[in-house]
Order: sequence, then C-alpha cells, then structure tokens
Amino acid sequence: AQSVTQLDSHVSVSEGTPVLLRCNYSSSYSPSLFWYVQHPNKGLQLLLKYTSAATLVKGINGFEAEFKKSETSFHLTKPSAHMSDAAEYFCVVSERLTSGTYKYIFGTGTRLKVLA
Amino acid sequence: KAGVTQTPRYLIKTRGQQVTLSCSPISGHRSVSWYQQTPGQGLQFLFEYFSETQRNKGNFPGRFSGRQFSNSRSEMNVSTLELGDSALYLCASSLDFLRARGTEAFFGQGTRLTVV
Repeated sequence: AQSVTQLDSHVSVSEGTPVLLRCNYSSSYSPSLFWYVQHPNKGLQLLLKYTSAATLVKGINGFEAEFKKSETSFHLTKPSAHMSDAAEYFCVVSERLTSGTYKYIFGTGTRLKVLA
Repeated sequence: KAGVTQTPRYLIKTRGQQVTLSCSPISGHRSVSWYQQTPGQGLQFLFEYFSETQRNKGNFPGRFSGRQFSNSRSEMNVSTLELGDSALYLCASSLDFLRARGTEAFFGQGTRLTVV
C-alpha cells in the first residue's frame, strides 16, 4: 500500500525566510504526488503535482517541490515566506486500487506558522 | 467557472439523528469523492462516485452512505449520528478522478458537522 509521511507537524519561519516542508512517500510503483494547502475554514487547494515528468515541479504562489526517487522524498519549498502562507499543508500520494482505479492517500499535515 | 459547492457549511445535530450533506461539482466533472477530516484521524476517504455509480468505498461503517444524481451532484448521508462523527466533510470533484493516477481533485470548502 502507498503512504506518505510528513515529517513535521508544525513548522515556524520568519517572514522573508525560506520554507521547507518535508514529505516522504512509500510506493510500489512510480507514484503521483501532490501538495495541497488548506487555509482556516477553507477547502484544499492544489499547489502542485508530480506525475513522472520533470522532477522539479513548480506550483502556485512561488512554491516548488523536487521528486527524489533515491530518497523517496517530495519536499515542498519556497524561497521567501509570506504571512499569507500560514496554513496547513498536505502531501498526497495517489494509490492504485485492485479495481484499477486510484484514490488519494493524505499525509497528516504540516501546519506552517509565519512570524512577522 | 464556479468551484465545488458544498451545502450547508455548518450543521449541528443531536446524537441519533441523521444528516444529509450536498455537493455540487465543477461543471463537466463527473467524479465526486467524499473525505472526512478530523484532528485525530486526519483526512480519510469515504467513497467516490462516477456517473451515478459508487466505484470505491473507504473503511467506514454502513451508517455512511451516498449517492450521485444524473447531473453529477452528490449527497452524503450519515444515519444514527455519533459524537465521533463530528468532523469537516470535504467533497472533491474531478473530470475522471480514478482512471488516471495524476488527475487532480478540486475540493469544496467543506461542511462542518457537530454532533452534540
């Protein structure tokens, strides 16, 4: 079975400093991986996705993630944090089911706090 | 283009009652998935519908059920509510979510259900 592990439940950074949110995955085949963001009382918004094309994926709002097969990682980064980045971030892997279809498996989330 | 719409946004129900939640997907999307989000269990897959058929179901008791109408709108029903059913219920729509592993899902803002 596929799974994702978000290594930090909380991350605090100062505004203007880099952001690193860590995600490791487990998959028996080449996975599809996603990062979603959830602001308070909001639904989830897709930041970026990896589907076996370029290993460095650029997303919205200046975020990017690098797929590293050797490390089974898909860490999310941003060069300079903004106050509006404060939210919860979810790493997601797409799991293939016996029916041949897929479903999302979510990590436990990382809450990002941005300090002024 | 309108996003995924979930109604109502907030609900308070008494233990033992039943509740129906509604989800209207993005126009043209035929797949609707439901997730339960709680602080303790995170985001867990409930079920997925495509063209009025339930294609996959998560590990939830039979009290949780759903359906999809010909216009792709979906409803989720929970009968005999328990305190532990208090959660944010999120609906996600996609063109054909489970046929391709890289397909992205678009989430609604969720329905916050509180069982007292």
